[in-house]
Amino acid sequence: QKEVEQDPGPLSVPEGAIVSLNCTYSNSAFQYFMWYRQYSRKGPELLMYTYSSGNKEDGRFTAQVDKSSKYISLFIRDSQPSDSATYLCAMRSIQGAQKLVFGQGTRLTINP
Amino acid sequence: DTEVTQTPKHLVMGMTNKKSLKCEQHMGHRAMYWYKQKAKKPPELMFVYSYEKLSINESVPSRFSPECPNSSLLNLHLHALQPEDSALYLCASSQGAGRYNEQFFGPGTRLTVL
Repeated sequence: QKEVEQDPGPLSVPEGAIVSLNCTYSNSAFQYFMWYRQYSRKGPELLMYTYSSGNKEDGRFTAQVDKSSKYISLFIRDSQPSDSATYLCAMRSIQGAQKLVFGQGTRLTINP
Repeated sequence: DTEVTQTPKHLVMGMTNKKSLKCEQHMGHRAMYWYKQKAKKPPELMFVYSYEKLSINESVPSRFSPECPNSSLLNLHLHALQPEDSALYLCASSQGAGRYNEQFFGPGTRLTVL
């Protein structure tokens, strides 16, 4: 079993829809959680970073962490074609501060 | 300046060539990273430098040789690579360790080994 599980998709939704992307993890030592967006043939771009259970909002993006269920989510409201990309969840522990563990990435397409 | 830069953007090399990838950041970050990313896969950690010292080597073959000349620069020297080493090579940096240790990635160098 992988430490971090993420549905690779692909996921295709119409413009304006609410998108939900999810990751589950098995290592209870993970304390810090990130979402990266990666456009084709580009480097990952940090979207959200959180270290506590609950919700964190930034514009159209909301990151949700449930440590008791070992489950994190990224919600995208009012999705735009420019949101079409691969979304990677990543997480790390305090001890493994420099080692990110990535999910497989979900490929998302927003259709105009 | 919140940017990690990488050069070159693209590199094609033969299996007998020696080449280098370069990464630079001016955010005052004290940790820098090299990752390898194959198509449709997440980045795989190769090396970590912390305060200019190699702190993590993920059992990478010796044909990849990292170097950290100063806190802003990170190089990856390549020699006698194999076609399966063709990938996107990503550099990242972070403030250090601890809570505020988000990693920021550069755009990558797309390497093709013939």
